[in-house]
Amino acid sequence: DVKVTQSSRYLVKRTGEKVFLECVQDMDHENMFWYRQDPGLGLRLIYFSYDVKMKEKGDIPEGYSVSREKKERFSLILESASTNQTSMYLCASSPGGPKETQYFGPGTRLLVL
Amino acid sequence: QQPVQSPQAVILREGEDAVINCSSSKALYSVHWYRQKHGEAPVFLMILLKGGEQKGHEKISASFNEKKQQSSLYLTASQLSYSGTYFCGTEERAAGNKLTFGGGTRVLVKP
Repeated sequence: DVKVTQSSRYLVKRTGEKVFLECVQDMDHENMFWYRQDPGLGLRLIYFSYDVKMKEKGDIPEGYSVSREKKERFSLILESASTNQTSMYLCASSPGGPKETQYFGPGTRLLVL
Repeated sequence: QQPVQSPQAVILREGEDAVINCSSSKALYSVHWYRQKHGEAPVFLMILLKGGEQKGHEKISASFNEKKQQSSLYLTASQLSYSGTYFCGTEERAAGNKLTFGGGTRVLVKP
């Protein structure tokens, strides 16, 4: 079974803090993704990575950055958290082949006060 | 641009059927369906590929109309366990499994 883990299930931070969300997958997947999930908006892609040290912007990258120093780990960074970044953050990984799909972690619910 | 899902919500009695639709304005390579229960990660249900190939759950059925860029997920003889939010994710080309997700359809199955 594919396992994608996220460092925290719940997180409370103050406006202006730097926030790190960690994601680890144990299946040697090539690709990793970060989404935020808001009611009625579904899952929106923030950043993704097809290889170590590579990153590409998704649909809503503003206010976020990412780091992928090792294949199994993909970090999402909020440089200066704001209240409008309060959301559920989901990490996913995929093998990358043409008939493959994504596998999700349990999510981190972030509250920025 | 996100695919559009309809309906936004549906309430069923056990044993009833429902259809969830996913429509994109772009040409698609594949459509992926997920179900998410409250407080849990989205779980993969099915992938439908251009050309008619399908991979996924044996008890879930779906269709993919490539010409119309539309997919439908069929919930047949619904069970209480079918409750959750269903998402479609669309893939425009076979490159890295990058998906664009719809807004979701909330399904509640009542006894």
